[in-house]
Amino acid sequence: DTEVTQTPKHLVMGMTNKKSLKCEQHMGHRAMYWYKQKAKKPPELMFVYSYEKLSINESVPSRFSPECPNSSLLNLHLHALQPEDSALYLCASSQDWGNYGYTFGSGTRLTVV
Amino acid sequence: AQKITQTQPGMFVQEKEAVTLDCTYDTSDPSYGLFWYKQPSSGEMIFLIYQGSYDQQNATEGRYSLNFQKARKSANLVISASQLGDSAMYFCAMRDFYNNAGNMLTFGGGTRLMVKP
Repeated sequence: DTEVTQTPKHLVMGMTNKKSLKCEQHMGHRAMYWYKQKAKKPPELMFVYSYEKLSINESVPSRFSPECPNSSLLNLHLHALQPEDSALYLCASSQDWGNYGYTFGSGTRLTVV
Repeated sequence: AQKITQTQPGMFVQEKEAVTLDCTYDTSDPSYGLFWYKQPSSGEMIFLIYQGSYDQQNATEGRYSLNFQKARKSANLVISASQLGDSAMYFCAMRDFYNNAGNMLTFGGGTRLMVKP
């Protein structure tokens, strides 16, 4: 299994809703990442989990809450989002160190209304 | 801080011709890795090719090759024999070790490639 699976593929939510994005990989990778990508822009790092511990938080607002329940799963909990949070959210995984490739999921397209 | 620059926002290429996508980078680290990704309109980031800073040979993967010029700090992607399916956004990225807390990819601004039939 050489894939990163993200669900849902599309999500529309109101500003008062609570929702979660899910990411799963079974490649034995020990680092997992959340990236945010606005239209026509490059992906921007949000969070890094290394060996199931949060190692990098790129000053992301608290309305985004990551969780890594085990080495294969990564969640992003969403609460009280703003319309400007509408974007493509990409999950990726990699071996923790060294010259290893990063495998990305196909992303969740989030629209906040 | 590391920086990746892609100076071509958009490019056209005729089907079956070769095309070069430019990427320059700036880092003071002696050890680094450079990646190219393809992103079709569906959104998935597809890994194309990797070049390590200590690699002596330019990386090649099928129709993709990386023209690595270390002294110039450039890592251009060459796509040979372009196909209609190559139309997509292409990102150059660099691996960055983040204060020993892990590693991350930093992306350039991207180049949109359009292949004409």
